[in-house]
Amino acid sequence: AQSVTQLDSQVPVFEEAPVELRCNYSSSVSVYLFWYVQYPNQGLQLLLKYLSGSTLVKGINGFEAEFNKSQTSFHLRKPSVHISDTAEYFCAVSEGNNNDMRFGAGTRLTVKP
Amino acid sequence: GAGVSQSPSNKVTEKGKDVELRCDPISGHTALYWYRQSLGQGLEFLIYFQGNSAPDKSGLPSDRFSAERTGGSVSTLTIQRTQQEDSAVYLCASSLVSGVGREQFFGPGTRLTVL
Repeated sequence: AQSVTQLDSQVPVFEEAPVELRCNYSSSVSVYLFWYVQYPNQGLQLLLKYLSGSTLVKGINGFEAEFNKSQTSFHLRKPSVHISDTAEYFCAVSEGNNNDMRFGAGTRLTVKP
Repeated sequence: GAGVSQSPSNKVTEKGKDVELRCDPISGHTALYWYRQSLGQGLEFLIYFQGNSAPDKSGLPSDRFSAERTGGSVSTLTIQRTQQEDSAVYLCASSLVSGVGREQFFGPGTRLTVL
């Protein structure tokens, strides 16, 4: 079965700095990859997803992620963060041959002024 | 259209009591998922339904947890003889099965507090 590892539980950064949130997955088959965001006191919402095609995926709020099959990674990046990006970010993987999805433990991004 | 809804939004119960949590998925979504989010923890997969059947129950923490889905729509998660460690936010999500993507749409969650 698939699994996801988010290497950083917390990432503090200053406003306007770049950020990368790391995600590695484990699967023996083709995968679909997702990043979800959970703002304080809100539900989860989809940030972006990789299904096929271009390995660089752009999402909402200026975020992007790159699928690297050889490194089994799907790191999330943003060149310049805002205070409003403070949230919990979850990476998730779904295998191509089933309907299951597994989430990572989450990375808490805190943007400081 | 309406999103995923869950009820109640908050539930406070005493240790040893049974609780039922309800999830109404997006109309037409055939897959339904339950997760648990504990304070400071990530999302813990509990169970998912394809239609009314549950192909994967491996995430249920113990036999005190059960779930059912009827009519391919509403699902209930039941926790019997609740324990304090059951306190968490229980999230429900639904998705379309056909085609690629499998994006899951999440409900607002039910915050369960066991005293």
